[in-house]
Amino acid sequence: EAQVTQNPRYLITVTGKKLTVTCSQNMNHEYMSWYRQDPGLGLRQIYYSMNVEVTDKGDVPEGYKVSRKEKRNFPLILESPSPNQTSLYFCASSLLGVKNIQYFGAGTRLSVL
Amino acid sequence: GENVEQHPSTLSVQEGDSAVIKCTYSDSASNYFPWYKQELGKRPQLIIDIRSNVGEKKDQRIAVTLNKTAKHFSLHITETQPEDSAVYFCAATGPTSGTYKYIFGTGTRLKVLA
Repeated sequence: EAQVTQNPRYLITVTGKKLTVTCSQNMNHEYMSWYRQDPGLGLRQIYYSMNVEVTDKGDVPEGYKVSRKEKRNFPLILESPSPNQTSLYFCASSLLGVKNIQYFGAGTRLSVL
Repeated sequence: GENVEQHPSTLSVQEGDSAVIKCTYSDSASNYFPWYKQELGKRPQLIIDIRSNVGEKKDQRIAVTLNKTAKHFSLHITETQPEDSAVYFCAATGPTSGTYKYIFGTGTRLKVLA
């Protein structure tokens, strides 16, 4: 089954404790992306990647890191989480070109205390 | 920076009526405009999209129109049903500096009243 898998689905942590949210896709997609969703603000892109070892900043990259060492994986790293990073996070992937429909993961709800 | 404005933020319609949601984008390099539906507690899912070489696209009760000159695109839902109740997001992307950054609107909460 074609899917984008995020883990964990829920996470409660404390300020300053490094964490990683994993994202994996099994569709051989070149493009992968991370978004955060906050009430009234819609979806905002954090980072995206157009292929292995190629990453670019979205609109809200501050406080986040990503890496794309393999095509299928695109982890989101918060090295020193702060309460303003409490949010719902979505990973998404797509092909590039005319079949660039984005498929979203189920989401990770993060609370930073 | 690039921006996508979406209106209205909430919309209530009677079952069977039509609903229209409008978006305006700022980056003239944008060439792909998807619309997503997000039900409560679920992930966004693509419902229809349009590319810049097309002015209108239709899929059953859903249609999208694009006015490149005015940088406007709109979602039209006809004969609305209670299951159309959800939050709808527009987005824009295009080859700005060779990369594809997505900018989303802030969403429209649609309520279809039975």
